[in-house]
Amino acid sequence: QSVLTQPPSVSAAPGQQATISCSGSSSNIGKNSVSWYQQFPGTAPILLIYDINKRPLGIPDRFSGSKSGTSATLGITGLQTGDEADYYCGAWDSSLNAYVFGVGTKVTVL
Amino acid sequence: EVQVVESGGGLVKPGGSLRLSCAASGFTFSDYSMNWVRQAPGKGLEWVSSVSASSFFIYYAESVMGRFTISRDNAKNSVDLEMNSLRADDTAVYYCAKAPPPGGGYAFDIWGQGTMVTVSS
Repeated sequence: QSVLTQPPSVSAAPGQQATISCSGSSSNIGKNSVSWYQQFPGTAPILLIYDINKRPLGIPDRFSGSKSGTSATLGITGLQTGDEADYYCGAWDSSLNAYVFGVGTKVTVL
Repeated sequence: EVQVVESGGGLVKPGGSLRLSCAASGFTFSDYSMNWVRQAPGKGLEWVSSVSASSFFIYYAESVMGRFTISRDNAKNSVDLEMNSLRADDTAVYYCAKAPPPGGGYAFDIWGQGTMVTVSS
């Protein structure tokens, strides 16, 4: 089982907001930066958010990240059908000396 | 264009070995940590190993410790993953991924297209 806990699925209507939670511990999210990845079927993941709330060039500002204590959240506003994908959170775990991912959340646009 | 390209995947019998390679271009390779991440069929992402820019720091997932070895050649802009004693549960797409500059938190900002490793008799 993954060190980081995510809901298996999240759904929302087009134009609405989707939020994905990622729960960890004091050795990973509580201590280190969180990143978020988007993955479409059969393709490589894409970095969406790094260092909790920073977006790489080219990532729209509809995507945002936040962190509180040992949990992090990815927000997607103005949901589009093209946002249907799997989303993973990740963070370095200082106790394990390993990078840990969440199990992934499938976003469905109703 | 900043990119990384994996090669070396294939079919191997349990207990066998395989060496994956990742060729980087479009950035100053020697400035960045490099990583391997894998994804078993229908499953989520699993970090495998990381090597720092100078190879001073090397880390492995517990699931591959003692069987896999990561190495890099900054003169050739490449990072390899030597995999020994392969098991069926090592079957996955293996991605090479670049880390962002230090100071911005650990993450993987550039990914390759992946190379498939199948361990089966």
